[in-house]
Amino acid sequence: DAMVIQNPRYQVTQFGKPVTLSCSQTLNHNVMYWYQQKSSQAPKLLFHYYDKDFNNEADTPDNFQSRRPNTSFCFLDIRSPGLGDAAMYLCATSRLGEFEAFFGQGTRLTVV
Amino acid sequence: GEDVEQSLFLSVREGDSSVINCTYTDSSSTYLYWYKQEPGAGLQLLTYIFSNMDMKQDQRLTVLLNKKDKHLSLRIADTQTGDSAIYFCAESLISGYSTLTFGKGTMLLVSP
Repeated sequence: DAMVIQNPRYQVTQFGKPVTLSCSQTLNHNVMYWYQQKSSQAPKLLFHYYDKDFNNEADTPDNFQSRRPNTSFCFLDIRSPGLGDAAMYLCATSRLGEFEAFFGQGTRLTVV
Repeated sequence: GEDVEQSLFLSVREGDSSVINCTYTDSSSTYLYWYKQEPGAGLQLLTYIFSNMDMKQDQRLTVLLNKKDKHLSLRIADTQTGDSAIYFCAESLISGYSTLTFGKGTMLLVSP
């Protein structure tokens, strides 16, 4: 089935050690998004791409970067994770001009 | 500014109706959404309403939008134990994109 796949589902990283989360989609959607959802909080948009055009939310920390090498894949890089970066990271896709976003199951990041 | 507020918890008995409320602050919202999140899962779009509508019905779900008061509600008729989940209200400000601002979510607990 066409879907948004995030790997891994659970990721443990050490404080300060770079980590990369990945997202792939088989929907051929031209827009991809990364959201951060901390415990008991609202999901918060970090970035979105329209094709390769990158859009960074104003309050996304500099510690977070993203890459989209092709339509199907998008990566979230956290350069130096802190304890405050522990969260669920959600990837989503949509087709430009359409209202519905499709979410992956998320990657839960633990920082130790 | 962008802010979406929801009550945090609702408990109902199976077979009753549930009403989850949400207020938003940005009157330029294009679409308003309700997403459902089950434990350990990603976000699933339940329903949406375009900002020029005031009501939408979809099987057991009824969405009411009061633009004057910036109030959105989701009514679930004949609530079932399988409806137990966290429900997120979200607004989209940029036409054509699902760059969503979410509320913190309402945990719905349905007891037999």
